[in-house]
Amino acid sequence: ETGVTQTPRHLVMGMTNKKSLKCEQHLGHNAMYWYKQSAKKPLELMFVYNFKEQTENNSVPSRFSPECPNSSHLFLHLHTLQPEDSALYLCASSQEAGGDGYTFGSGTRLTVV
Amino acid sequence: GENVEQHPSTLSVQEGDSAVIKCTYSDSASNYFPWYKQELGKGPQLIIDIRSNVGEKKDQRIAVTLNKTAKHFSLHITETQPEDSAVYFCAASMDTDKLIFGTGTRLQVFP
Repeated sequence: ETGVTQTPRHLVMGMTNKKSLKCEQHLGHNAMYWYKQSAKKPLELMFVYNFKEQTENNSVPSRFSPECPNSSHLFLHLHTLQPEDSALYLCASSQEAGGDGYTFGSGTRLTVV
Repeated sequence: GENVEQHPSTLSVQEGDSAVIKCTYSDSASNYFPWYKQELGKGPQLIIDIRSNVGEKKDQRIAVTLNKTAKHFSLHITETQPEDSAVYFCAASMDTDKLIFGTGTRLQVFP
């Protein structure tokens, strides 16, 4: 374990379902991130939270809704997803917002049917 | 904004040989260049990083070189072992800005 825990590890959902991804970090970091990893594409930054405040939304569709109740927890709420949203969703944290010292979780493999 | 290109997309080497993965970046203001290793079923893990004030950094069998003029940086793995097989990602960022990742290189080390 890296100190960043993601649940569930795998998720299959229908296009009309509502589900949530959870991320928890025990590293005392102040910044948390959601990334989408699709085959043969660079990791795509979705959202950045710094001290619980959202500092970046990288043009993500509204069917993805993040929530950061405190510096240790990050959620990604999903609703009315499309098959092309199937991917590995990775959470990361760092001491401060920026490029230095990211720790990634193992990801949630999402399949939309 | 920053753009990072990574080559090759796949690399196969014999155990004991060296492997080199290359990346180029577009924003000359970028000053932090980490490399991540992603094994099957896991998230990326930082293996080595370099800042723009140095040209080379080594950690046992792994080294990273940076050419700021050409905006190139490379990962070198010597004496490769089967457990080095994974996907490797380069990335670049500037100070407190976000990391921009390359597309990844799948390295296979054959016994």
